[in-house]
Amino acid sequence: AQSVSQHNHHVILSEAASLELGCNYSYGGTVNLFWYVQYPGQHLQLLLKYFSGDPLVKGIKGFEAEFIKSKFSFNLRKPSVQWSDTAEYFCAVNAPGYSTLTFGKGTMLLVSP
Amino acid sequence: SQTIHQWPATLVQPVGSPLSLECTVEGTSNPNLYWYRQAAGRGLQLLFYSVGIGQISSEVPQNLSASRPQDRQFILSSKKLLLSDSGFYLCAWSVGTENTEAFFGQGTRLTVV
Repeated sequence: AQSVSQHNHHVILSEAASLELGCNYSYGGTVNLFWYVQYPGQHLQLLLKYFSGDPLVKGIKGFEAEFIKSKFSFNLRKPSVQWSDTAEYFCAVNAPGYSTLTFGKGTMLLVSP
Repeated sequence: SQTIHQWPATLVQPVGSPLSLECTVEGTSNPNLYWYRQAAGRGLQLLFYSVGIGQISSEVPQNLSASRPQDRQFILSSKKLLLSDSGFYLCAWSVGTENTEAFFGQGTRLTVV
């Protein structure tokens, strides 16, 4: 069974700082990878996804993530965060043939103005 | 376009009372349907998923059950709620193929008192 580990439970940054949230997964085969975001009071929504091809994936709102197969990682990055990026971020994985997503425990990002 | 409806948004129930949370999806046919529970600092835990009418898979043993009486309807139930059932419950759907993300409802905040 696959599992997902997010290294930071809470991250506090000032506006304009760079962001990198770590995500590692454990699964020996091909995987699909996702980052979801949950803004305060809103539903969970997809930031970006990786299925195949270019390992550097660009998502909405200036976010990107890089799939490094040798490290089983899919870290989320943003060069310059904004106050509006304050949210909880979840990394998720599923394996082809399995429709269910396995989520990490989430990282709460607080961006101070 | 597809939409997912989940209700109620909040619910306060006494211990020992029954539970019924409903989720419906519009704009798609034969979706995969999911119930997740989100707990602070613990990410999203998959409770049930369904790939078709009457087909329910349970991921964790618990005091809850799920049913899918219609193609786009997914119900989470309990005969007698426990205090430990309190939490944030999310319904989600995905297309029934491998490479696809899940789309989430707004969630139900359940408090058992």
